[in-house]
Amino acid sequence: GQNIDQPTEMTATEGAIVQINCTYQTSGFNGLFWYQQHAGEAPTFLSYNVLDGLEEKGRFSSFLSRSKGYSYLLLKELQMKDSASYLCAVMDSNYQLIWGAGTKLIIKP
Amino acid sequence: EADIYQTPRYLVIGTGKKITLECSQTMGHDKMYWYQQDPGMELHLIHYSYGVNSTEKGDLSSESTVSRIRTEHFPLTLESARPSHTSQYLCASTPGGLESHTDTQYFGPGTRLTVL
Repeated sequence: GQNIDQPTEMTATEGAIVQINCTYQTSGFNGLFWYQQHAGEAPTFLSYNVLDGLEEKGRFSSFLSRSKGYSYLLLKELQMKDSASYLCAVMDSNYQLIWGAGTKLIIKP
Repeated sequence: EADIYQTPRYLVIGTGKKITLECSQTMGHDKMYWYQQDPGMELHLIHYSYGVNSTEKGDLSSESTVSRIRTEHFPLTLESARPSHTSQYLCASTPGGLESHTDTQYFGPGTRLTVL
């Protein structure tokens, strides 16, 4: 079967750095997405990786290793507004998105 | 910012009722999707569409139907609501055609459905 694994919840301090990991097992791979979802709201796009390596976008960076079936989202200079769930999703060989359950990130002052 | 709308935002309804959840986008996107999401859980694909007159079933499609008569409109219908349908329903769209598989999905604000 297809599977996306992420930690259920993480806690970090305002101003710090946090890394949210995602491992996947899917039938084929056509890219990995990270989305942010605030409580009660819709997901919003953060990043897309299809090649190995690090993609940096402001305070957020995303890394991919296809051989290891692994990705992480790195958030720097954490702000209170970063408190949200972070969803990892992989596009499989049928170009369907397989979603993880999300990692709830709690930021403390 | 994407322009994708869902109505109603909240709905409380009794068992056995027929309901239609509306989704519209003003961006001319070809591909549209319906997802179901319970709190703290992953999104499950219910239905999707590649364009007008195209509809495909996802993982949770058996108890609902969709139509795509116009590009901008992709309504979801539950013929007979049950308490197990209580959930959040998210509509999404992507700009690409059949070849643009990896386009970002833009989500609507969601409909929170409660079936009593």
